[in-house]
Amino acid sequence: QSALAQPASVSGSPGQSITISCTGTSSDFYTYNYVSWYQQHPGKAPKLLIFEVTNRPSGVSNRFSGSKSGDTASLTISGLQAEDEADYYCSSYTSGITLYVFGTGTKVTVL
Amino acid sequence: QLQLQESGPGLVKPSETLSLTCTVSGGSVRSSSYYWGWIRQPPGKGLQWIGSIFYSGTTYYTPSLESRVTISVDTSKNQFSLQLRSVTAADTSIYYCARQGIRYTPDYWGQGTLVTVSS
Repeated sequence: QSALAQPASVSGSPGQSITISCTGTSSDFYTYNYVSWYQQHPGKAPKLLIFEVTNRPSGVSNRFSGSKSGDTASLTISGLQAEDEADYYCSSYTSGITLYVFGTGTKVTVL
Repeated sequence: QLQLQESGPGLVKPSETLSLTCTVSGGSVRSSSYYWGWIRQPPGKGLQWIGSIFYSGTTYYTPSLESRVTISVDTSKNQFSLQLRSVTAADTSIYYCARQGIRYTPDYWGQGTLVTVSS
């Protein structure tokens, strides 16, 4: 099972909105809504931002939102802040021989 | 508040076995709602799921590592462990343990531990 494809980098100015894409190739991506998103600051463990495509865990800012259409899931960060500068990873359950896969990662830069 | 803490050697020689333990506090590995997993991240690179275990002992491994990996659970100590055999420099990574909830989604993570493979 290949990793999910993400753009290497995305940037935006404070206050803007940015969207990070995550493209899957397996039929599971179409079939299931088990895409998650993580934020990782340097030297820190990943933090769960979104699960099951659109759901936010308690305590996660509503500036983060998720969606999915066909083979592409997306994470949108609204009202971009300096603290949002980090790496972001999508991930998904698969019913294939690899139970769980991560995306290639996207570095978000706040200009 | 659930906490996970990895422990083990930070340096392993090539061809030897990497062994790490994850101690869970504020929750139980006996929970029927969760799997417990290991994920690694080579320095400066992306995340790779290694494998997961249920308290009953049921395991799943990523195919590329399956021949070298064993994950086990000790419910009496509230711990689960990773063994990776015949390591090479390519196994140098930060290793994270995590709780995996809905459809194996990692929701709580340990802080991670860097394991370097070098002679």
